[in-house]
Amino acid sequence: NAGVTQTPKFQVLKTGQSMTLQCAQDMNHNSMYWYRQDPGMGLRLIYYSASEGTTDKGEVPNGYNVSRLNKREFSLRLESAAPSQTSVYFCASSVASGGLDTQYFGPGTRLTVL
Amino acid sequence: QKEVEQDPGPLSVPEGAIVSLNCTYSNSAFQYFMWYRQYSRKGPELLMYTYSSGNKEDGRFTAQVDKSSKYISLFIRDSQPSDSATYLCAPAGNKLTFGGGTRVLVKP
Repeated sequence: NAGVTQTPKFQVLKTGQSMTLQCAQDMNHNSMYWYRQDPGMGLRLIYYSASEGTTDKGEVPNGYNVSRLNKREFSLRLESAAPSQTSVYFCASSVASGGLDTQYFGPGTRLTVL
Repeated sequence: QKEVEQDPGPLSVPEGAIVSLNCTYSNSAFQYFMWYRQYSRKGPELLMYTYSSGNKEDGRFTAQVDKSSKYISLFIRDSQPSDSATYLCAPAGNKLTFGGGTRVLVKP
């Protein structure tokens, strides 16, 4: 099993450009998440999807859109990138067991917006 | 005020020492408490979790929760250079909330 995979690993954009970050999981998990991680801020939830066909906003959704393409794939789109979106982006998927929701993370995408 | 607070470190210790990490939280609704470990340029991975106040031990790692004080601790015994990483506390109710993480350096 590959677990959670993310593409690309690195990306540099100019202000105003758009791009889509891809995420896929092969663990048959229902829930998937997108986080951003900035120094001193920890992981902040952008969007999540509790199941195929549903998406909900997290703590910092402005400037982003998501698509839950199928059970495996959850993409994050930046329509018009801004320097404030320079960050490391992590995708995660989770399975609930005994009331505990354990999240498994991908390796991250390092995005720089100039 | 952030819901979950952690000292960012870095916390530097010699190999074999005990590492003590702390976290405070403000939301009384948190029901279970997780610690994630994140190596440099990698995604976080679950290290251990506990539901209740008290201690939970897993090998060299002990997680401690004091719900009355809203205080979470992680202790690493006999620390190794391979324990050098950032440790994120993550209390959870109906969603997971991450602290900013504490960077730990274990020197040989």
